[in-house]
Amino acid sequence: DGGITQSPKYLFRKEGQNVTLSCEQNLNHDAMYWYRQDPGQGLRLIYYSQIVNDFQKGDIAEGYSVSREKKESFPLTVTSAQKNPTAFYLCATTTGDAGELFFGEGSRLTVL
Amino acid sequence: AQRVTQPEKLLSVFKGAPVELKCNYSYSGSPELFWYVQYSRQRLQLLLRHISRESIKGFTADLNKGETSFHLKKPFAQEEDSAMYYCALRRSGGSYIPTFGRGTSLIVHP
Repeated sequence: DGGITQSPKYLFRKEGQNVTLSCEQNLNHDAMYWYRQDPGQGLRLIYYSQIVNDFQKGDIAEGYSVSREKKESFPLTVTSAQKNPTAFYLCATTTGDAGELFFGEGSRLTVL
Repeated sequence: AQRVTQPEKLLSVFKGAPVELKCNYSYSGSPELFWYVQYSRQRLQLLLRHISRESIKGFTADLNKGETSFHLKKPFAQEEDSAMYYCALRRSGGSYIPTFGRGTSLIVHP
């Protein structure tokens, strides 16, 4: 089902804590992306990776970190340095050539 | 820098009425444009892309390079079209970095 699995779906965090969101894919896609979705602001790119062991900052990377040790996995860590972390986070993949993005179901992070 | 503008946050129409969701872009090169849709409690998914020049669920979108627009149209809206719609641009060649607009919420009333 879906090919892209994000976990957890809902996460609560206290201020000052780091939290890691998981994104796993079995589509054999090279490129993976993390977006943040806020009402009225659309999707904003946090980080992206086009190949294993390589990743690049997106438009709003401050306060976030990622790793790409395996093709299938692209976890996102929301650090305590992120000033406004409460949001809906979307992971996406693409083959690159096709252009179409495939999305996970998302993870909703709430900072208490 | 590439930019996608969706001027309407909300579009409200009645069933059977025509629908046009606006999308304007700015990009100096040759862009690839997409429309994505997010129905309630479903994943964001591709609706259509300009290079395919196809009609999906009755929706069409034509790339107008002169006006730098990629408006999404449907002649007769249905209640099941109610969703969030995002216009996206991807740089052609090189890095495939999609940029999204802010989205338009379409509500189709019975």
